Amino acid sequence: QVQLHESGPGLVKPSQTLSLTCTVSGASISSGSYYWSWIRQPAGEGLEWIGRIYTTGSTNYNPSLRSRVTISLDTSKNQFSLKLSSVTAADTAVYYCAHGWGAFDIWGQGTMVTVSS
Amino acid sequence: DIQMTQSPSSLSASVGDRVTITCQASQDINNHLNWYQQKPGKAPKLLIYDAYNLETGVPSRFSGRGSGTDFTFSISSLQPEDFATYYCQQYDNLPFTFGPGTKVDFK
Repeated sequence: QVQLHESGPGLVKPSQTLSLTCTVSGASISSGSYYWSWIRQPAGEGLEWIGRIYTTGSTNYNPSLRSRVTISLDTSKNQFSLKLSSVTAADTAVYYCAHGWGAFDIWGQGTMVTVSS
Repeated sequence: DIQMTQSPSSLSASVGDRVTITCQASQDINNHLNWYQQKPGKAPKLLIYDAYNLETGVPSRFSGRGSGTDFTFSISSLQPEDFATYYCQQYDNLPFTFGPGTKVDFK
């Protein structure tokens, strides 16, 4: 069965770049027809879709974050990653990676990222 | 972006109660609507996809209906493990958007 696991620094300084990795097990991210997404959730708030990457490497981003977001694949490690630049306190959230084209049927456990000096 | 609203924002109920949550989209999304359950400290769990299809392994007490802009999610007989926050999500247009959530707690 497919499992996802997020990893990365839990603390990022303002104006720096947040970098997270999602390791996929039980499936190859470079084969089949898979979409891999990043979703975030500030404490006590709702869910925000950040963007996604397809098996081929094509991406879609939320326009609200597009200028700061990059999602990429590392097929050698069966991982996909998120980079969010110029972070502020408003980017503090639990970040989830998820699988799915329209419905997110598999999620990682989430990783908390705090933006603070 | 398509805006999703949910009502109520919270509700109190007892075990065995029937619970219904509504979700409205700011424009026609056909049946491109999913429902998730989230418990504190956990990732959301997909319950219903395409408005009314039950995800594999999800109990049949959960159901969904609707099309266009108006959708409902129901739990026919609330169980102790169902106390959680429920979100709707549209995937008709990018960016995907979620409703603000409905928290179901103990009466």
